Amino acid sequence: DAGVIQSPRHEVTEMGQEVTLRCKPISGHNSLFWYRQTMMRGLELLIYFNNNVPIDDSGMPEDRFSAKMPNASFSTLKIQPSEPRDSAVYFCASSGLAGRTGELFFGEGSRLTVL
Amino acid sequence: QQQVKQSPQSLIVQKGGISIINCAYENTAFDYFPWYQQFPGKGPALLIAIRPDVSEKKEGRFTISFNKSAKQFSLHIMDSQPGDSATYFCAARVGGGSNYKLTFGKGTLLTVNP
Repeated sequence: DAGVIQSPRHEVTEMGQEVTLRCKPISGHNSLFWYRQTMMRGLELLIYFNNNVPIDDSGMPEDRFSAKMPNASFSTLKIQPSEPRDSAVYFCASSGLAGRTGELFFGEGSRLTVL
Repeated sequence: QQQVKQSPQSLIVQKGGISIINCAYENTAFDYFPWYQQFPGKGPALLIAIRPDVSEKKEGRFTISFNKSAKQFSLHIMDSQPGDSATYFCAARVGGGSNYKLTFGKGTLLTVNP
């Protein structure tokens, strides 16, 4: 069974450009999470969805960040305009109802570099 | 505000030794405490988890010790192996029903020397 699929795996862009990161959660999972990982701040929760509905977006750093989940099998995280301080690894994770145990299944991440 | 504090930031252990990573929390609403393991270039993966009504949980060489009154928990890796070299994150869950979220510690980079 395929795990969480993220694309692109690597993205290098210039400051001011729009960046779109994509995620396909595990089929049947009803919760989806976007995390950002940096050396300084570790793993930060940006936003999470339950049944395609955003539940908590308090971790989204500012209005330049937006996330959507148009259906159960796809989510996007968009940064517009991007800035060098947005450079990080962005992880998508999903969980099913059995995830009440606290188990999130992470993708392999999208490494973003903003020059 | 960092809700889950993890230490040390990095740890070097000899093969066969014991690795110990500690975490502390403040929010008494946390109801589940998993540990995640992350290898370079990969996403974190669940290693072992514990509920606050249990003081210890062991799975193979990995043990979680939980002290509810002190609001602390730790991961012990017995007989550490070079293959255990990875970054370890403690986490804590708050929420209920189908709405919940995990807050992670900042991670510990473990290096096990052969």
